[in-house]
Amino acid sequence: NAGVTQTPKFRVLKTGQSMTLLCAQDMNHEYMYWYRQDPGMGLRLIHYSVGEGTTAKGEVPDGYNVSRLKKQNFLLGLESAAPSQTSVYFCASSYRQGAMDGQYFGAGTRLSVL
Amino acid sequence: GQQLNQSPQSMFIQEGEDVSMNCTSSSIFNTWLWYKQEPGEGPVLLIALYKAGELTSNGRLTAQFGITRKDSFLNISASIPSDVGIYFCAGQNYGGSQGNLIFGKGTKLSVKP
Repeated sequence: NAGVTQTPKFRVLKTGQSMTLLCAQDMNHEYMYWYRQDPGMGLRLIHYSVGEGTTAKGEVPDGYNVSRLKKQNFLLGLESAAPSQTSVYFCASSYRQGAMDGQYFGAGTRLSVL
Repeated sequence: GQQLNQSPQSMFIQEGEDVSMNCTSSSIFNTWLWYKQEPGEGPVLLIALYKAGELTSNGRLTAQFGITRKDSFLNISASIPSDVGIYFCAGQNYGGSQGNLIFGKGTKLSVKP
């Protein structure tokens, strides 16, 4: 059971380039989330989805777009990368809000924007 | 928006010592959760608390949901080297965007053998 899988694990971009981060979960979870983690800032929610075909903005959505075309996948896109988007990105999923087993996290994608 | 104050920011302790960390909020939560993140990995849930005053243990870990619903603490007894990592508290309410987790900034734990 793989849980939550993120690809790629590492990426270096130049300012202005675009890329898509892929998150896949095999637990049939309804909810999926994208966070960014910066030193001393904890985890901040970028976008989330409460089910296939739905997306919603989190705390820090600017500069990012997401899509949830399939229940098991949640994509995070950067259309024009900026140095401020250098961060570690985590995807998570949960069965529902308030699920007793909480959110399951992937191992992260480390992104550097030069 | 809601914010959590987690303290201390970092701890350097000797193996065998007990550890205590806490989170406070200006607003109430229905659920408190504690996660641990090891280097190069994503956070993993340690303990979830659902009721004010609840005290829950998971091995050497004990966490409590404050009576006011605005705070929680995590204790680790008899620390060992594998306890090293960053511990995050998270608060959650239910319904719409309020159901999303709000994370503290983390407590970085270092254990000296």
